Parts: sequence; C-alpha cells; structure tokens
Amino acid sequence: GAVVSQHPSWVICKSGTSVKIECRSLDFQATTMFWYRQFPKQSLMLMATSNEGSKATYEQGVEKDKFLINHASLTLSTLTVTSAHPEDSSFYICSAREVAVRAFFGQGTRLTVV
Amino acid sequence: GQQLNQSPQSMFIQEGEDVSMNCTSSSIFNTWLWYKQDPGEGPVLLIALYKAGELTSNGRLTAQFGITRKDSFLNISASIPSDVGIYFCAGLLLSNTGNQFYFGTGTSLTVIP
Repeated sequence: GAVVSQHPSWVICKSGTSVKIECRSLDFQATTMFWYRQFPKQSLMLMATSNEGSKATYEQGVEKDKFLINHASLTLSTLTVTSAHPEDSSFYICSAREVAVRAFFGQGTRLTVV
Repeated sequence: GQQLNQSPQSMFIQEGEDVSMNCTSSSIFNTWLWYKQDPGEGPVLLIALYKAGELTSNGRLTAQFGITRKDSFLNISASIPSDVGIYFCAGLLLSNTGNQFYFGTGTSLTVIP
C-alpha cells in the first residue's frame, strides 16, 4: 500500500511554544490530506481537510488560528499547533487519500505540552 | 462529524478463537475500509471494499460490504496474540459537497494466549 510518513513521532514542548508536525505522502501525490486528533481509547476526530494550494477546511469547533495547516505541495502538509497548552496534548494523525479512494495514515505524533 | 456504530466496543478472546465485529450506519456508503491501530501508531489499512455484497479476504481476515450499503463486518479467524489492537471501520460517503470519511468508534481486541 501507499506510504504516508509523519514526523516527529514524539514531541514534548513547553507551554506557550509552537510545534510543527509534517505529513508526507512518499509514493503518491495527495491533493487532499486530513488531520485527526485522537484521545486515549477513542476514535479519530477529524480536525481539518488540507487542500493543496488552498486554505484548509476546518471542522466545527476547531480553532483555525490555533491549528495552522499548510499544504504547500502535493506530497507535504504541515500542522502547526501554535502557543501550545497542556490541553493540546494528544495524539495527532494525518492521512492522505490516493486515487483509489483508499486512505493511508501516518504513524501519528504524540504531543505532550508541559 | 458523523460516527459509524461499531460493535462490540471491546472483546476478550482466547487465542485460536474466531472474531467478528461490525459497523452499521443510517447512511449509504460508497466504500468501506477496515483499519487496525496498534498503541501509539497510526491506523493501518487492512481491507478495502468498493461495492455492495463484496467479500474480500486478506489472510485470516475477511470483510464484507453489506448489500444495503449501510453496514460491513470484519471477521478474524484463528486469532493470535499479535491481533491485539483497536480495529476501526471507515465509510466513504460521496456527496455533492465532496467526499467524506466517517470512522467507527472502534473495537478493542484482546487475545489471551
């Protein structure tokens, strides 16, 4: 299957700092990527849809200025958690959809804000 | 967003037993996908189903796209310890406003050696 690489896998940051998470589709072009947040023992919650060359579409309740998404190329989308606070600590996962409508996920990023 | 109804929520089974889980929705889906997620990892695609009635196998895993297009099931035969994890179903809904994935609530599987 297609490969989606997410970096970093783990990050610990101080409260008030910003953290950038990268999501790359390694062997296919993804015009659309998705960012999810997952709380322990819960399903994935869609945060936003990242469209190459245009603004991201955010789900209701997700702060656009807090979670900045940039999709600069067909293989890279980034999520920046700005002015992170402990309540932002979570598992963040990206996914990219290939032409055959199958979605493949990155390995996830565990963010801990201290 | 919309969540699919996935059951059971969790299962504890003996090694060697078969497992069955399913997803249902009030909406008609165009594609059903089944994923497995290990702790601290992203979901990994197991099986993709594209048309109603489709039955697809991947090793010991078998999944079916329901005839009504509103449900899907996943079976695991002769479970082994490495089957432990959380299994998610996902449905793709095509609409005039675009394609949208919806995820099930997950089934946590524990296999007792």
